[in-house]
Amino acid sequence: SQQGEEDPQALSIQEGENATMNCSYKTSINNLQWYRQNSGRGLVHLILIRSNEREKHSGRLRVTLDTSKKSSSLLITASRAADTASYFCATDAGTALIFGKGTTLSVSS
Amino acid sequence: DTAVSQTPKYLVTQMGNDKSIKCEQNLGHDTMYWYKQDSKKFLKIMFSYNNKELIINETVPNRFSPKSPDKAHLNLHINSLELGDSAVYFCASSPERGYGGYTFGSGTRLTVV
Repeated sequence: SQQGEEDPQALSIQEGENATMNCSYKTSINNLQWYRQNSGRGLVHLILIRSNEREKHSGRLRVTLDTSKKSSSLLITASRAADTASYFCATDAGTALIFGKGTTLSVSS
Repeated sequence: DTAVSQTPKYLVTQMGNDKSIKCEQNLGHDTMYWYKQDSKKFLKIMFSYNNKELIINETVPNRFSPKSPDKAHLNLHINSLELGDSAVYFCASSPERGYGGYTFGSGTRLTVV
């Protein structure tokens, strides 16, 4: 069953701009993770945020988690053409990761 | 060194055939998974094994049978292939659940004709 729902479905920006993607989910979770998938490739783990954390940073990535609203956001700062990919949130509720439908990000130079 | 490797990368076969996809991880992880990604990029969990033991078996037709000969390998066998089985199948592994991200293989694109 689907847990996460990303918003927007697609996002087009210019290089240097920031990209924000949102994820909403339905049930209690242990942690929430974000993944990137380049076209025709496997998923790559970006960042994990635990249910007792509110914000986490990794390089140009910033993730927030609001468990009261059951939502998370991924911010990519100073986007590059190489950031063009699909981004998925995934929730860990104790079994296997449940993925959302993803946001397709296109960064043009 | 490839952390999670899947073979084959592409698989084209006729309806009714039986095929297998192999997966191996060299990360020392205890848990392995099979996911199916459809044409709309939706990823759905199919199976999960922890140290050779089946722990998740989602609503998947029993034509799909996973096999884990050891904790580094998780293979997927599919009997009587149907057109609707066409998808990309991903193998993944993880450390103890809740303590790290998953490492995914590069996927096997299965096309049933």
